[in-house]
Amino acid sequence: GAGVSQSPSNKVTEKGKDVELRCDPISGHTALYWYRQSLGQGLEFLIYFQGNSAPDKSGLPSDRFSAERTGGSVSTLTIQRTQQEDSAVYLCASSPQAGDNQPQHFGDGTRLSIL
Amino acid sequence: GDSVTQMEGPVTLSEEAFLTINCTYTATGYPSLFWYVQYPGEGLQLLLKATKADDKGSNKGFEATYRKETTSFHLEKGSVQVSDSAVYFCALSETRGYSTLTFGKGTMLLVSP
Repeated sequence: GAGVSQSPSNKVTEKGKDVELRCDPISGHTALYWYRQSLGQGLEFLIYFQGNSAPDKSGLPSDRFSAERTGGSVSTLTIQRTQQEDSAVYLCASSPQAGDNQPQHFGDGTRLSIL
Repeated sequence: GDSVTQMEGPVTLSEEAFLTINCTYTATGYPSLFWYVQYPGEGLQLLLKATKADDKGSNKGFEATYRKETTSFHLEKGSVQVSDSAVYFCALSETRGYSTLTFGKGTMLLVSP
């Protein structure tokens, strides 16, 4: 079956612009996660969705970052007024349900470059 | 808070050499432990996992044992191949009902023929 799909695969934009990154999880997976992979920082958790529950936003680095998940499936991560330090690979993952023993399946990521 | 520390890379080996990538962790509870691998140009893939002390995770010739006494989860392989060249990430998830992963910074492995 299809894995986690992210789009676009690459995005180059000017500082100050808004960007939207999309994640389509594996069908039937109720848990969805966003991470950021940047040089020198490794992989950082950003936000977590479980079904229709309120998301865990504890990892979002600033109020310029927001995410939503419509209908419990596709998720969009939005970065407003982008800054150069936002340049990173943004990874989405999904798992069948929440729980420590549930492995997360990752997409190939969106490489975001802010000029 | 939770943290994962991995040996810095790159680790450079010849084909058929023995591999060890060290990983230690700090956690308040009883986490599950994972190794993920990222091949060039690809996304993260789960390599193996262990959910409780003394468990051994294994896959594709790689092994790691959950050592609670030393808070470690070192990755080993007896004979590496060129195709094992990738970045390896150690990660944990805490016991709190859901599992956001805390990752180490990754270790690049380069295997030459």
